[in-house]
Amino acid sequence: EAGVAQSPRYKIIEKRQSVAFWCNPISGHATLYWYQQILGQGPKLLIQFQNNGVVDDSQLPKDRFSAERLKGVDSTLKIQPAKLEDSAVYLCASSLDRRDMYNEQFFGPGTRLTVL
Amino acid sequence: GQQLNQSPQSMFIQEGEDVSMNCTSSSIFNTWLWYKQDPGEGPVLLIALYKAGELTSNGRLTAQFGITRKDSFLNISASIPSDVGIYFCAGRLNYGGSQGNLIFGKGTKLSVKP
Repeated sequence: EAGVAQSPRYKIIEKRQSVAFWCNPISGHATLYWYQQILGQGPKLLIQFQNNGVVDDSQLPKDRFSAERLKGVDSTLKIQPAKLEDSAVYLCASSLDRRDMYNEQFFGPGTRLTVL
Repeated sequence: GQQLNQSPQSMFIQEGEDVSMNCTSSSIFNTWLWYKQDPGEGPVLLIALYKAGELTSNGRLTAQFGITRKDSFLNISASIPSDVGIYFCAGRLNYGGSQGNLIFGKGTKLSVKP
């Protein structure tokens, strides 16, 4: 079974530029998550989708971050404009269904973003 | 917000030694998870715990869900070089809605001397 795919793996941009990340979850997984992992920290949830609807985006900085999952499968996360403090690894994860008790998340390899 | 305190932050051990790390929370969780993250990769689930007091093993790894539901520990027996990496604990209050969100610790970085 294929895992969670993410691209690109690495991205270097200058501050105030825009960037987008793509995620393809495990086939059949209804719930998709985007996390931000700053160096030396654990992952922090940014946004959670159930199919194509947003479940929780309370920790997403909405003035510059946006995310969508239009057809309930792939998802994109965008930052516009980027700030220096956005330098981090952006992880995508998916799970079968967030409403199930044994709903464990599987992570992709992440996109390492460096903002100069 | 909720925070998990994970310790130690880092440790160096001799190959063959046993390792122990733990995680504590100021609030209760109904699920505790332990993940391992290798450089350049995403976290991989090692062990999931769903009941207070539960003790679960996965090969050389053993984890326990604390009775108070505010802590968990992970033991690695007879460590080998491939155990190197960062170990994260994560807690979840419930499932569904924002209570189903995972809260992660800051990680324990494990380095093994060959």
